[in-house]
Amino acid sequence: SQKIEQNSEALNIQEGKTATLTCNYTNYSPAYLQWYRQDPGRGPVFLLLIRENEKEKRKERLKVTFDTTLKQSLFHITASQPADSATYLCAPNQAGTALIFGKGTTLSVSS
Amino acid sequence: DAGITQSPRHKVTETGTPVTLRCHQTENHRYMYWYRQDPGHGLRLIHYSYGVKDTDKGEVSDGYSVSRSKTEDFLLTLESATSSQTSVYFCAISEGQGGGYTFGSGTRLTVV
Repeated sequence: SQKIEQNSEALNIQEGKTATLTCNYTNYSPAYLQWYRQDPGRGPVFLLLIRENEKEKRKERLKVTFDTTLKQSLFHITASQPADSATYLCAPNQAGTALIFGKGTTLSVSS
Repeated sequence: DAGITQSPRHKVTETGTPVTLRCHQTENHRYMYWYRQDPGHGLRLIHYSYGVKDTDKGEVSDGYSVSRSKTEDFLLTLESATSSQTSVYFCAISEGQGGGYTFGSGTRLTVV
């Protein structure tokens, strides 16, 4: 069955550093992969989508990579700020199916 | 979130009673989804809809039914609520299946 693993449940970093979150998947070949941010008590918010033929995508301080050989996506936040503290969810997706999400990594950025 | 509303926001109900949660959108999106979120399990898909009267089951559909009689409304019904259905329920919408989802603010359901 499809399996999604996000590297760790929690990641603590200092302000100004780069946060790197990992999403690994097994037993399927997603056509694209999405990343979401979720704050406590709120619904997830869409951040970025990367397709299988794209190796990297950027949006402001965010960068996502997608390695279909390693079956892995990396999500980077550069120059991190306390306001970046949240849970980040990845969702590798096969075309024509509803999203399945990883359990998320909770990022804490300390000042 | 703009364009998608869930109601109620909170509900406490007794075991064995029927419960209906409502998701309403003003975006005219074709796809609508119901997820539940629990500690240790993350977001899990319950049911989704790809058009009026067109629905399909997700990963954890047992004990739940859905209906979509209008584009803008997607209802989730627990026919006979159980304590294992205590959870936070999120509705989401998308224009197509290849794009980002917009989520509602969630309904916190407690079954006692």
